[in-house]
Amino acid sequence: AQSVSQHNHHVILSEAASLELGCNYSYGGTVNLFWYVQYPGQHLQLLLKYFSGDPLVKGIKGFEAEFIKSKFSFNLRKPSVQWSDTAEYFCAVILYNTDKLIFGTGTRLQVFP
Amino acid sequence: EAQVTQNPRYLITVTGKKLTVTCSQNMNHEYMSWYRQDPGLGLRQIYYSMNVEVTDKGDVPEGYKVSRKEKRNFPLILESPSPNQTSLYFCASSPTRLSADTQYFGPGTRLTVL
Repeated sequence: AQSVSQHNHHVILSEAASLELGCNYSYGGTVNLFWYVQYPGQHLQLLLKYFSGDPLVKGIKGFEAEFIKSKFSFNLRKPSVQWSDTAEYFCAVILYNTDKLIFGTGTRLQVFP
Repeated sequence: EAQVTQNPRYLITVTGKKLTVTCSQNMNHEYMSWYRQDPGLGLRQIYYSMNVEVTDKGDVPEGYKVSRKEKRNFPLILESPSPNQTSLYFCASSPTRLSADTQYFGPGTRLTVL
């Protein structure tokens, strides 16, 4: 069965540190890829998405992600995190031409001042 | 304001007492979906709907029902809730089919079944 893996369950960083959150999926076909963020007590918001084209995608709040097809990966990066980035981050995959969105289990990020 | 709304936001109920969680979107979106979020499991899709009168099972449909009689509404029905359905539920909508567009999420409904 198709799945999405986020290997970092809990990440703790100091402000200004660089961030990279891993996301791998298991599906050999065409995919659409997403990163969502959930701030404490809030609903999910889209950070960025990849459908096609340039595999380096830039999103809101200084986040970016790189789609590496050969590695089945879509890692999220930010050069310098802020305290306000404390949240839970979810990677998600849609198998092309289906309507089922498969989420990873999430990574909880805590940023300390 | 474009949004997805859910009601109630919080609900405590007892085993076996039928309940409905409403979901409504004001964006004329075709696609709507329900998810449950559980610690360590992420979000799992319960049901989705491509359009009025068109619904399909997601990954965890057991114990749930949905209906899509109008484009804007997509209620989630628990006919006989059980404690293992205690969870945080999100409704979401998308302009077109999910593989072509972005999903917008509602604020969530925290359900506790005693």
